[in-house]
Amino acid sequence: AQSVTQPDIHITVSEGASLELRCNYSYGATPYLFWYVQSPGQGLQLLLKYFSGDTLVQGIKGFEAEFKRSQSSFNLRKPSVHWSDAAEYFCAVGGDTDKLIFGTGTRLQVFP
Amino acid sequence: EPEVTQTPSHQVTQMGQEVILRCVPISNHLYFYWYRQILGQKVEFLVSFYNNEISEKSEIFDDQFSVERPDGSNFTLKIRSTKLEDSAMYFCASSAQGARSNQPQHFGDGTRLSIL
Repeated sequence: AQSVTQPDIHITVSEGASLELRCNYSYGATPYLFWYVQSPGQGLQLLLKYFSGDTLVQGIKGFEAEFKRSQSSFNLRKPSVHWSDAAEYFCAVGGDTDKLIFGTGTRLQVFP
Repeated sequence: EPEVTQTPSHQVTQMGQEVILRCVPISNHLYFYWYRQILGQKVEFLVSFYNNEISEKSEIFDDQFSVERPDGSNFTLKIRSTKLEDSAMYFCASSAQGARSNQPQHFGDGTRLSIL
């Protein structure tokens, strides 16, 4: 079955600390992978995407993610978190159909 | 940067009534999508639309739902007879190309639909 698992429902970090949000997927075809961010009352903003090539991809706002095929993972990282990064983060997989399959999201809270 | 625009931001409707949610996709995009997110749950795909016809739909997208591109700019989702369980945030998305391309889907801010 096609699915995305985000094992951390809620993460709290201090401003300036590093961040890693986990994402594991199950997908029958070659996956295209995405991270979206949703601030309160806002829509889904694309942070970064992986289609092929270099497995470490850079995104907006200083985020990066690494595709590890052997682990079926696409974890999101940021070396130093800012208070404005507080939001909900969604991992998604797609590729062989129009449908994107989303994870349940990870809510990030940032303490000053 | 071009955006997907959705109206209204919040729609309150009596159960059994018809509702139309509106979206203006990014102007040069050709593929259009609707997703929904019930409160506390994950974002779920409803339907994709290309070349004036549905290209894919989920099991959620039953006969009560329809989509239309009435003119060159709008893309609408109609729910014919709303049920309480239709209460959700509905997201419109668009992309320049479809599946197996390197063009991602861009999402609007959503319409929160509340069924009373």
